[in-house]
Amino acid sequence: GAVVSQHPSWVICKSGTSVKIECRSLDFQATTMFWYRQFPKQSLMLMATSNEGSKATYEQGVEKDKFLINHASLTLSTLTVTSAHPEDSSFYICSARPLGAGSNTGELFFGEGSRLTVL
Amino acid sequence: AQTVTQSQPEMSVQEAETVTLSCTYDTSESDYYLFWYKQPPSRQMILVIRQEAYKQQNATENRFSVNFQKAAKSFSLKISDSQLGDAAMYFCAYRSAFPAAGNKLTFGGGTRVLVKP
Repeated sequence: GAVVSQHPSWVICKSGTSVKIECRSLDFQATTMFWYRQFPKQSLMLMATSNEGSKATYEQGVEKDKFLINHASLTLSTLTVTSAHPEDSSFYICSARPLGAGSNTGELFFGEGSRLTVL
Repeated sequence: AQTVTQSQPEMSVQEAETVTLSCTYDTSESDYYLFWYKQPPSRQMILVIRQEAYKQQNATENRFSVNFQKAAKSFSLKISDSQLGDAAMYFCAYRSAFPAAGNKLTFGGGTRVLVKP
């Protein structure tokens, strides 16, 4: 159980275009999902907290107009990189916190990640 | 704000031997969770072991065990009988137990584990 799926796993786009990445919890509901960014050989940096039915909470230094987050249902959050530039190329990872009993364990479940390359 | 520090960028271990990864953290909170995650080349984050701060007993999961020293704010991971499949990046992570903190994970910088056959 507790599977989180991200799509696409790899995307290449031209500079100036927008790219949407989906994060789905397949077998549980999640009121909260988290989006991380990971540069090569570096750690995961939290970008924002996505809350179902409300606005996302962004970490300091993350442009909310650049990285649009929508959490329209208890199983889906999307990250849209708008007007992408080469410096946005990175590995984006989502994680989800289950509702109910699972939320008491403190554990978050991670997606497989999405590699974005902006040409 | 909490910080997590992993002082070893890379560790090498012989197959079947034991390796210990260091992690220290800084927090003013009394209740929290600590985690070790493994990230293999596939980049999928895999939970290795979890420790609740209020539990004095060190967590153990098969060949993986931790040495949790709350007063010293230290949380090391020991991998026993190392296997080739253990080769990966290992991240130490902290999460507050207080809901107001938002359930966010704070990660350390990571330690790359190399396993020599």
